[in-house]
Amino acid sequence: ILNVEQSPQSLHVQEGDSTNFTCSFPSSNFYALHWYRWETAKSPEALFVMTLNGDEKKKGRISATLNTKEGYSYLYIKGSQPEDSATYLCASYYGQNFVFGPGTRLSVLP
Amino acid sequence: SQTIHQWPATLVQPVGSPLSLECTVEGTSNPNLYWYRQAAGRGLQLLFYSVGIGQISSEVPQNLSASRPQDRQFILSSKKLLLSDSGFYLCAWKRDGNQPQHFGDGTRLSIL
Repeated sequence: ILNVEQSPQSLHVQEGDSTNFTCSFPSSNFYALHWYRWETAKSPEALFVMTLNGDEKKKGRISATLNTKEGYSYLYIKGSQPEDSATYLCASYYGQNFVFGPGTRLSVLP
Repeated sequence: SQTIHQWPATLVQPVGSPLSLECTVEGTSNPNLYWYRQAAGRGLQLLFYSVGIGQISSEVPQNLSASRPQDRQFILSSKKLLLSDSGFYLCAWKRDGNQPQHFGDGTRLSIL
């Protein structure tokens, strides 16, 4: 059974703080690593799809890195804003199916 | 542009009753389709996925089933619901290859 883990489970930061979370996944049979943001009362929204070891992607104040050899990815948020409050999900893609982590719930306090 | 529709938004059903949740995608052809469930306090669990009409792969043994009668239609069903079937159900689609998933708005299912 493939297991994707995320840490921390939840996080509270002050507006303006930078923060990061971790996603750990089995590196065997790896195809891609997905990051999604899931805001309350909305559906999950794709942030990044990462495939290559050493990949680094950026969207505004959010960036992510990927290490496929050791099986982890980091998501960074620079200068957190209240609108960044959401659950951040990572999912490992194994060719047709996905295994999601439990998510990191971020609360940004104004 | 592509859109995904999922309905109903909320559903309250008694134990032992049947279930049918529908998901349709517009604006694309031959999408990969997915059904997920989020039980209370847990992450997204993949239930079924489909890469084509009539092709269904099940990830978790349970009393649910899925069907894909048309290219852009994905249906989640049960003949007899259990209390443990309560949760939030999400449908998603993606293009083939390393592409992101696009999710519907979800169905909140409560079993009484």
